[in-house]
Amino acid sequence: AAGVIQSPRHLIKEKRETATLKCYPIPRHDTVYWYQQGPGQDPQFLISFYEKMQSDKGSIPDRFSAQQFSDYHSELNMSSLELGDSALYFCATERRPDTQYFGPGTRLTVL
Amino acid sequence: ELKVEQNPLFLSMQEGKNYTIYCNYSTTSDRLYWYRQDPGKSLESLFVLLSNGAVKQEGRLMASLDTKARLSTLHITAAVHDLSATYFCAEGAQKLVFGQGTRLTINP
Repeated sequence: AAGVIQSPRHLIKEKRETATLKCYPIPRHDTVYWYQQGPGQDPQFLISFYEKMQSDKGSIPDRFSAQQFSDYHSELNMSSLELGDSALYFCATERRPDTQYFGPGTRLTVL
Repeated sequence: ELKVEQNPLFLSMQEGKNYTIYCNYSTTSDRLYWYRQDPGKSLESLFVLLSNGAVKQEGRLMASLDTKARLSTLHITAAVHDLSATYFCAEGAQKLVFGQGTRLTINP
């Protein structure tokens, strides 16, 4: 069965650079969630989209923005990167009211 | 503030033994999830519990939900090494709020 696709899987950036993370949902899934998981931490909700509209916002820094496109894929844009942004970034998708399926994650390292 | 608390946070056990992970949550959520995560990997959905008294089983794992007590349990029966991982519970109808995770190590 098709799964959630995230790219890139690994990303290394310098401080103050920008990064773009992409998420491709399972076909017919209309909702995308972004989570950030720091080392040894639980995942923290960042932002979500339903039918291409932002549906909820969590602890997402102002330096980050996201959107969902007409083909339902989503991108998380991160600017002015800081060392503390180093984490695993997951997107999860669902077709309501089903369960959320997580992608493999993007490991971001900020040097 | 939504809170989900798991205990224990660390669990080391012998193969063949039984144990239970507890998950307390703070809201009247209609959904409780259990996920498994191997180091550096994604979160694998194990169970979704939707109603009071719900019980689901898959292999050596069984999850239950008591919405009145706001408590879910994940019971491990006759543990095997392959079950070593971190287990998260999470609650929410849409965005998920996760517990801290229980790092389970099963020793031969």
